[in-house]
Amino acid sequence: GIQVEQSPPDLILQEGANSTLRCNFSDSVNNLQWFHQNPWGQLINLFYIPSGTKQNGRLSATTVATERYSLLYISSSQTTDSGVYFCAVGYSGTYKYIFGTGTRLKVLA
Amino acid sequence: DGGITQSPKYLFRKEGQNVTLSCEQNLNHDAMYWYRQDPGQGLRLIYYSQIVNDFQKGDIAEGYSVSREKKESFPLTVTSAQKNPTAFYLCASSMSTGGETQYFGPGTRLLVL
Repeated sequence: GIQVEQSPPDLILQEGANSTLRCNFSDSVNNLQWFHQNPWGQLINLFYIPSGTKQNGRLSATTVATERYSLLYISSSQTTDSGVYFCAVGYSGTYKYIFGTGTRLKVLA
Repeated sequence: DGGITQSPKYLFRKEGQNVTLSCEQNLNHDAMYWYRQDPGQGLRLIYYSQIVNDFQKGDIAEGYSVSREKKESFPLTVTSAQKNPTAFYLCASSMSTGGETQYFGPGTRLLVL
């Protein structure tokens, strides 16, 4: 089955720093989402981005489907950005999103 | 407010006991999903449902059962056959099937006594 790898597994930043999180996947996919899981466990949608680039405030994401990777950019990080960031991929017409193991981010004040 | 609710927030199970986790959505979404998350891990799909009265097994369905009698509701039963049920359970829904954005509820933490 498809494999989803995220890097780095852990990341510690000082408040105000920028970061890039990466998601590699082993097969062509039609669907890709980025989520943020806050310390209370809630998963929050960041982007639905099977291809192209999107931006939402301090966050942006780029997926290069032909090269099987996606990047999540966090600029001017804040302590509230702490948590785990997941990438999930899937095929069109199926219901199965495959989740990566996540990048655990801690932003220090 | 539109959204997905899960209850209870915490649930304790005794050995040999079945427990049911509730998931309700008022987003008018067709598809609903149940995931399991173990500490430090990603999410794994237990069951999903495209429409009322229809559901399919995911990757780790053994020891679990579901029903979909109403569009808004997708309860998950953790049976005594599930030997390692301690985990965080997340319910999600999406507008249509196969690839639409999934939205998640706040989750239920199940602990075995």
